[in-house]
Amino acid sequence: GDSVTQMEGPVTLSEEAFLTINCTYTATGYPSLFWYVQYPGEGLQLLLKATKADDKGSNKGFEATYRKETTSFHLEKGSVQVSDSAVYFCALSSAGKSTFGDGTTLTVKP
Amino acid sequence: GAVVSQHPSWVICKSGTSVKIECRSLDFQATTMFWYRQFPKQSLMLMATSNEGSKATYEQGVEKDKFLINHASLTLSTLTVTSAHPEDSSFYICSATRGKQGPAEQYFGPGTRLTVT
Repeated sequence: GDSVTQMEGPVTLSEEAFLTINCTYTATGYPSLFWYVQYPGEGLQLLLKATKADDKGSNKGFEATYRKETTSFHLEKGSVQVSDSAVYFCALSSAGKSTFGDGTTLTVKP
Repeated sequence: GAVVSQHPSWVICKSGTSVKIECRSLDFQATTMFWYRQFPKQSLMLMATSNEGSKATYEQGVEKDKFLINHASLTLSTLTVTSAHPEDSSFYICSATRGKQGPAEQYFGPGTRLTVT
């Protein structure tokens, strides 16, 4: 079946550092790929998405590129802020069903 | 647009009682709603998928008689935890998708924290 593998956390960075959270997937067909963010005590919010190979999703300074050849969708941000501290989930959607990674906890220190 | 609400946001109940959680899509019609369970510091576990007017499809290992799902309309789905026990304490999150084409982006509710004493 489909699966999503995320870089294990937790990840701790200083403010303005560069962020990469790795995400790879296995799926039949051509899934859509997503990054969701979850702040403490809240539900998930869509951060960005890509629907086909070579698409780049971007939002709030975060970006990720759908790489079919490496089956990856790594999340990056050039300069993180304390307010980016949250749990980040990589997910794929295929045939009406979504599969989530285990989540990566990011803590940004001032 | 695409707002999903859940009610209640938190609930405490005694062991043996039943609890109903509502999930509503506020500004769109949801073709499909999903119910997830999330344990502390863990990923989301899909419990069931529900479509309006039809029976929910439960994931393997989820007791359908314990977790009753009703999808009465295109904007409302309910999850009832029957005869709740302390091990049912968890964070329950619903999500909804809209439209039948395009990427199945999910819109998530804020979650319901259930504590069974």
